[in-house]
Amino acid sequence: EVQLLESGGGLVQPGGSLRLSCEASGFIFSTYALSWVRQAPGKGLEWVSAIGARGGDTYYADSVKGRFAISRDNSMSTLYLQMSSLRAEDTALYYCAKDTPGVLGLFDNWGQGTMVTVSS
Amino acid sequence: EIVMTQSPATLSVSPGERATLSCRASQSVSTNLAWYQQKPGQAPRLLMYGASTRATGFPARFSGSGSGTEFTLTISSLQSEDFAVYYCQQYNNWPPLYTFGQGTKLEI
Repeated sequence: EVQLLESGGGLVQPGGSLRLSCEASGFIFSTYALSWVRQAPGKGLEWVSAIGARGGDTYYADSVKGRFAISRDNSMSTLYLQMSSLRAEDTALYYCAKDTPGVLGLFDNWGQGTMVTVSS
Repeated sequence: EIVMTQSPATLSVSPGERATLSCRASQSVSTNLAWYQQKPGQAPRLLMYGASTRATGFPARFSGSGSGTEFTLTISSLQSEDFAVYYCQQYNNWPPLYTFGQGTKLEI
């Protein structure tokens, strides 16, 4: 069974930094692209960032480009999102999501999310 | 960026009735279109992909259609467990810039 377990969320002041983690199990981690998708309270879904299976290819939404960095450690089956220069509009539940085999950007498994609140 | 627009924002339907949800893309996404179901307090769950292929675990009362810019999700006879928020998402972009619709809340 595929499991994705996010952690690292919390309350941070505007301009601050935070690193999210997503521990994966139940599949061969090193062979799948992964993404972060966020959901502001009471709002819809927003794709944030994606990383290729080997970690060399990274992609970002314009709203976070230059402030967030996605990475992965295939030896630890863990996905990361380093967030800096945080803004109030980054407040959201952050999900990690796994790509469907052979179909980039189609998310067949999601974690339960970790909440990030940016407030003074 | 491809903008996905869903309508209506809220759809009120009685159990046993048919529900039709729409999703429009600002430019063609071919059939690289997915639907997700999200219930309160839960993560989204993949429901449909390739515009018309049901994901594992969803019954045949769910069907999808469309290509290019116009897509439809139909639930033929609503059950109580179907009341949720439904999101469409395109995965046609390269390099990746995946976008979701704003969601349709299906309520009793």
